[in-house]
Amino acid sequence: EDQVTQSPEALRLQEGESSSLNCSYTVSGLRGLFWYRQDPGKGPEFLFTLYSAGEEKEKERLKATLTKKESFLHITAPKPEDSATYLCAVQAGGSARQLTFGSGTQLTVLP
Amino acid sequence: EADIYQTPRYLVIGTGKKITLECSQTMGHDKMYWYQQDPGMELHLIHYSYGVNSTEKGDLSSESTVSRIRTEHFPLTLESARPSHTSQYLCASRDASHHAFFGQGTRLTVV
Repeated sequence: EDQVTQSPEALRLQEGESSSLNCSYTVSGLRGLFWYRQDPGKGPEFLFTLYSAGEEKEKERLKATLTKKESFLHITAPKPEDSATYLCAVQAGGSARQLTFGSGTQLTVLP
Repeated sequence: EADIYQTPRYLVIGTGKKITLECSQTMGHDKMYWYQQDPGMELHLIHYSYGVNSTEKGDLSSESTVSRIRTEHFPLTLESARPSHTSQYLCASRDASHHAFFGQGTRLTVV
């Protein structure tokens, strides 16, 4: 059974304090790993897709990396507007249904 | 920006009522999904569709039904709402690269 585990569950940072969020996965035949940002009361917003180990993607203060067992979302010099829940999801095989989500990391950046 | 819309955004309804949550997308995606998400919790797949006239139940046991008569439209119906149905319902569609685009969600409260 495909599993996605995100850690920590919650993270509080001071503005400018860099850190990383972790997404560990167990899946047969990874087709893609996705990072989303979710603000309270809204739907997830797509950030990145990673397809193979060693791949990296960047967007503003965020950088996502992928190994064979986990992905990291690095946040460099975060700002209060980066506060949100960050979700990780994996796509396994070719079936339409197999997008498995983690429970997310709730990030709070204090001014 | 993703073009996927959910209505209503918020709904408060009495026990036993029949309700339909609407979801429409203008991207021409064949694959569409309904997820249920409680606050601070992970997304649970309740229904999905490969395309017109194709619907399947997801991992989470649900008393809801869906239909897919048109590519762009994927409504979810609760025949008899109960307080246990109180949750946020998220609709998504996916493109050929497996990217999922989410609507803003419907926050349902059954009293």
